[in-house]
Amino acid sequence: AQSVTQLDSHVSVSEGTPVLLRCNYSSSYSPSLFWYVQHPNKGLQLLLKYTSAATLVKGINGFEAEFKKSETSFHLTKPSAHMSDAAEYFCVVTLMNTGFQKLVFGTGTRLLVSP
Amino acid sequence: DTAVSQTPKYLVTQMGNDKSIKCEQNLGHDTMYWYKQDSKKFLKIMFSYNNKELIINETVPNRFSPKSPDKAHLNLHINSLELGDSAVYFCASSRGQGGLNTEAFFGQGTRLTVV
Repeated sequence: AQSVTQLDSHVSVSEGTPVLLRCNYSSSYSPSLFWYVQHPNKGLQLLLKYTSAATLVKGINGFEAEFKKSETSFHLTKPSAHMSDAAEYFCVVTLMNTGFQKLVFGTGTRLLVSP
Repeated sequence: DTAVSQTPKYLVTQMGNDKSIKCEQNLGHDTMYWYKQDSKKFLKIMFSYNNKELIINETVPNRFSPKSPDKAHLNLHINSLELGDSAVYFCASSRGQGGLNTEAFFGQGTRLTVV
């Protein structure tokens, strides 16, 4: 069955330092993977998606993620954190159900950015 | 120009009441969803509709009844509200049948509090 595991419930970084949010997936077929971000009291916004076209995926706000099949990972990175990056981040895999998709969410990682 | 809009944003109600949450998307998408986010931020799909037809029903209590009058609207009606129904409910939409590589666009969420 398709699932994702986000290894850290909280990640704390200082402004200007790199960000690494870890995600491992389990899938019986070539997966589609997404990262979504949720700012406090806001909806979910797509950061980036992997659809097998390229293993390194660039998203919005300077984020990128690398799909590594051998490690079944799809970690999210950013070279330099900004205060506005503080939010909840969700790694998501697509599960197909009778020809229709549903998104299976990880448990989320809260990114805290200190000055 | 909100793509997926939900009303109301906040809903506080007493146990036993019946309430509805409305969702509209102006993206021309064929597939719409309801997701529930619990107090630990975990997101799980409840329902999915494609062109007004129910596609996915994830073992949700039958007190929850989605209704799709047209493909741009998916409303959620909840009967006999219970304390455990308190959560944030997100509406989302995606194009086509929501295939493997298709991201979902989310509304801002409705925070339901049952007292």
